Amino acid sequence: GAVVSQHPSWVICKSGTSVKIECRSLDFQATTMFWYRQFPKQSLMLMATSNEGSKATYEQGVEKDKFLINHASLTLSTLTVTSAHPEDSSFYICSASSGTGVPGELFFGEGSRLTVL
Amino acid sequence: AQSVTQLDSQVPVFEEAPVELRCNYSSSVSVYLFWYVQYPNQGLQLLLKYLSGSTLVESINGFEAEFNKSQTSFHLRKPSVHISDTAEYFCAVSLSGGYQKVTFGTGTKLQVIP
Repeated sequence: GAVVSQHPSWVICKSGTSVKIECRSLDFQATTMFWYRQFPKQSLMLMATSNEGSKATYEQGVEKDKFLINHASLTLSTLTVTSAHPEDSSFYICSASSGTGVPGELFFGEGSRLTVL
Repeated sequence: AQSVTQLDSQVPVFEEAPVELRCNYSSSVSVYLFWYVQYPNQGLQLLLKYLSGSTLVESINGFEAEFNKSQTSFHLRKPSVHISDTAEYFCAVSLSGGYQKVTFGTGTKLQVIP
């Protein structure tokens, strides 16, 4: 199956710093990538949808200036958490769709656990 | 907008016993339904899907799910579980007719007891 790789798998940072998480599709071109946030014992919350070469579409309640998403190529999307605070600590997961194949079938990265001290 | 409800947050079951993980959805239009599995420290993987046609769908590792439109359900079942089935299972829905946003349930943690 298609492979999506996320990096880093975990990161610890100080409050006020920025953290970048990368999501790469390794063996297919991802026309659309999705960024989710997963809280303990809660569902995956869709944060934003990004299409290659265009601005990301953010879900209601997600601060676009805090969570910067870039999808500059068909194989790479990045999520930057700016001026991180402890409440931003979470598990962030990306997924990708090629726009072909099975509708709704998403390929997920391994996730990135962010801890803000 | 569509939504998904997984009422059971945890389901403990003995090895070789049957299991059912419940999923109900809400949508005013037709949908696609999915079950994803997340093993410890891994990303999510698609387990099975319902797009159209036969309401009973099966996975390669013995799981099956049945789409019940009248009850708006898509419960996941396995007649005999293994230790290796221990994982978190997410039910998900998207609107049919192309590539739409996928909405996930809160997940059910299946704990298989030896």
